[in-house]
Amino acid sequence: DSGVTQTPKHLITATGQRVTLRCSPRSGDLSVYWYQQSLDQGLQFLIQYYNGEERAKGNILERFSAQQFPDLHSELNLSSLELGDSALYFCASSVRDPSDTQYFGPGTRLTVL
Amino acid sequence: ILNVEQSPQSLHVQEGDSTNFTCSFPSSNFYALHWYRWETAKSPEALFVMTLNGDEKKKGRISATLNTKEGYSYLYIKGSQPEDSATYLCALGYSSASKIIFGSGTRLSIRP
Repeated sequence: DSGVTQTPKHLITATGQRVTLRCSPRSGDLSVYWYQQSLDQGLQFLIQYYNGEERAKGNILERFSAQQFPDLHSELNLSSLELGDSALYFCASSVRDPSDTQYFGPGTRLTVL
Repeated sequence: ILNVEQSPQSLHVQEGDSTNFTCSFPSSNFYALHWYRWETAKSPEALFVMTLNGDEKKKGRISATLNTKEGYSYLYIKGSQPEDSATYLCALGYSSASKIIFGSGTRLSIRP
């Protein structure tokens, strides 16, 4: 158990809908990272938040947004969902910056029908 | 375009044998390299974080080296065991692009 929690574990929804994925980092970690793993692709970095502020951005679509709250939990919002958004979404946390060890949560499996 | 390459894509090794695989990357503006172990149906587990040229890390039977000037890292597994079967990922952090880039992984299978 890495100490990072993600909810829900599974999510099934329809095209055009909006969903919110939630992540709670390990106690003491200030940075949260979101990653996407699609069926035909490896892990893709989406975005990093540090202590409530966006720190780095990867290949995140405009339909996706994230935030980190004062209690350091983070939410990833996916809107206008398309079939191709079906993927495993991981959250990871680290003490501060990307050169620290990152601890991954169990992931949320999103299926868009 | 920043590209992280791992080789080989897959590897089948006899139990007890030692093995190694490679992560290659553009070396400019590099600031950290991560190695992860990813078992099927689980989430990636951090093995090492490496930041300095000539850095060498060891954890039990697994060790890694880093050459930032030439842009590669090796992961070594000594005396492979069935529980070492997993996909091994490397990921690079680049300050210029302010992003994290993963390789596609090396899938390791250990034959008993």
